[in-house]
Order: sequence, then C-alpha cells, then structure tokens
Amino acid sequence: DAGVIQSPRHEVTEMGQEVTLRCKPISGHNSLFWYRQTMMRGLELLIYFNNNVPIDDSGMPEDRFSAKMPNASFSTLKIQPSEPRDSAVYFCASKSHAADYGYTFGSGTRLTVV
Amino acid sequence: GQQLNQSPQSMFIQEGEDVSMNCTSSSIFNTWLWYKQDPGEGPVLLIALYKAGELTSNGRLTAQFGITRKDSFLNISASIPSDVGIYFCAGQLIGSARQLTFGSGTQLTVLP
Repeated sequence: DAGVIQSPRHEVTEMGQEVTLRCKPISGHNSLFWYRQTMMRGLELLIYFNNNVPIDDSGMPEDRFSAKMPNASFSTLKIQPSEPRDSAVYFCASKSHAADYGYTFGSGTRLTVV
Repeated sequence: GQQLNQSPQSMFIQEGEDVSMNCTSSSIFNTWLWYKQDPGEGPVLLIALYKAGELTSNGRLTAQFGITRKDSFLNISASIPSDVGIYFCAGQLIGSARQLTFGSGTQLTVLP
C-alpha cells in the first residue's frame, strides 16, 4: 500500500500564478479531505469529498480556491491567483467508509508564494 | 474555528520521563483521536477512542476518552528521542459528518 500520494512535495511560485496541488488517495477509500496547516491556524479542513462528490467546502477560504475529484483515484486543489498568505502546507487525507476513524494523511505539499 | 483546546503548546522533557497532554472542549465529541506528526510528514494516527471512559494503550502510549465526552488525554511513558514531534488531538463532533476537528498541537522535544 503506497499510502496517500501528494505532489509536488514543495512548490515555490510567484504571487498571481496558478498553483495546482495533486492527490492520489488510497485505493478503495471513499472519502477524501484537503487540509491546510499553518503555524497561526493549525490544521484547517478546506473541503471534503464522499464518492468523488464535494460534500462540504465551507472551509475553502476564497473563490480563488477550487477543488475537484474527477474520479476515485485523483483530486486536485487549485489556487488562482495565488497570494503570499496562501503559503502553508497542504495535506490530503483519505478514509474508507467501512473503517472506523483515522484518516490516512499524505506527506503534504509545502507551498511558498513569493 | 478551533473548538478544541489542546495543552500544553510545547514541552521539553528529559529522555526517560513521562509526558501528559490533554484536549478539552465545550462541545461533546463522539470520537477522540490522537495523531503524531514528524517533521516534513503528515499526521499519523496513534490511538482512537470511541466510548466515554474508554482507556486505550498502544505500547508506551495511553489515552482516555473523558466521561463527559468533552476531553481526552494522552500519556507517553519513558520517553525516547524518537517521540519528538507534534501531537494532535482530533475529534468528531456530535451531528457532524465524517470530518474531524483538530487541536492546535503539542510540540514535544525530548532531551538526551
């Protein structure tokens, strides 16, 4: 089991550029979550999907953020245009409906917007 | 915003000492979880608690689900250098779907 795979691991971009973060959940997991981690705000849930359908996107900070899950094995989080305050570590996590709690997290993407 | 109060924020201890950290909330939780995050990695689940009063151990780790369902603690006995990291509590609020609420984390440093 390769776990939850995120790419890239690090991203440095200039303000105003579009950023796309990618996630491959564990095969067979039905729920996928995008989190953002900063020193000031800790781990914040941005959006989560069940069976590829967005269920709750109330954590998405602004319209500049969007997320998609076109199929069960792939999700993207896009920021357009990016701003310096978007700098953070973005985590993807997945979970099986059949299992008790305990999301499996990816290793994260460290985003720096300069 | 955050609905879990986790303390302490950071701890510096000597190798071999025991450690205790806790989370409290004004809300009732169905489930409490404890995660550890190593530098540059995502959080990894350590212990899951599903019933009020439940006490669960995982090696040198012991966690309890408070009777009021509003708190939980994690104890680490005989700490070792690899215990260094950030420990997060997380819980599922009653009435919420599958999403978890995370505490702000406890940064643990173990001194040799």
